[in-house]
Amino acid sequence: DQQVKQNSPSLSVQEGRISILNCDYTNSMFDYFLWYKKYPAEGPTFLISISSIKDKNEDGRFTVFLNKSAKHLSLHIVPSQPGDSAVYFCAASDSGGGADGLTFGKGTHLIIQP
Amino acid sequence: EAGVTQFPSHSVIEKGQTVTLRCDPISGHDNLYWYRRVMGKEIKFLLHFVKESKQDESGMPNNRFLAERTGGTYSTLKVQPAELEDSGVYFCASSQVITSPLHFGNGTRLTVT
Repeated sequence: DQQVKQNSPSLSVQEGRISILNCDYTNSMFDYFLWYKKYPAEGPTFLISISSIKDKNEDGRFTVFLNKSAKHLSLHIVPSQPGDSAVYFCAASDSGGGADGLTFGKGTHLIIQP
Repeated sequence: EAGVTQFPSHSVIEKGQTVTLRCDPISGHDNLYWYRRVMGKEIKFLLHFVKESKQDESGMPNNRFLAERTGGTYSTLKVQPAELEDSGVYFCASSQVITSPLHFGNGTRLTVT
């Protein structure tokens, strides 16, 4: 049973526009959420995180929003750039702010079109 | 700083054979994790070392998998005997403290035929 769900296997966005990647979770014990980015033949790279005590975290072009009541988080990338084309994984932890034993979603393949 | 390195990058073995994967974490990182991604599925947690001790091995699929981290430096993950369903990409990750985001290696792609 998947506890972290990324329902869009792929997403195509035009360069310069906003990319919105969504993630839903079922485990109410999750209290720390992360987004990882992965290029082919490489390992996932940490992008941005958010604690359950916040509803928004911003880092440059990347913003993560958390809606605890809906058990939903989203990653916004604006403006989207060609180098953003990658697979994005949503991950969650129930270890009180730590990254121990992350539960990942299946990933969303973001394609930025020129 | 050197990143997390994994060896080999690819391994193709026959069912019933043994394979050992190696991970060298970032120097000074006490926390070392193994994850696995089976084709098209989510990345799944296997186990977590703190130094040489197994902190959490709840994700290990069965007793055909054995992970070690002697001396608290590099780690090995042995699969013996390998089965077809063990095919996938095995990622190693490390972190300095448990609250830090994980740094992943490039993974070992294991194919069992």
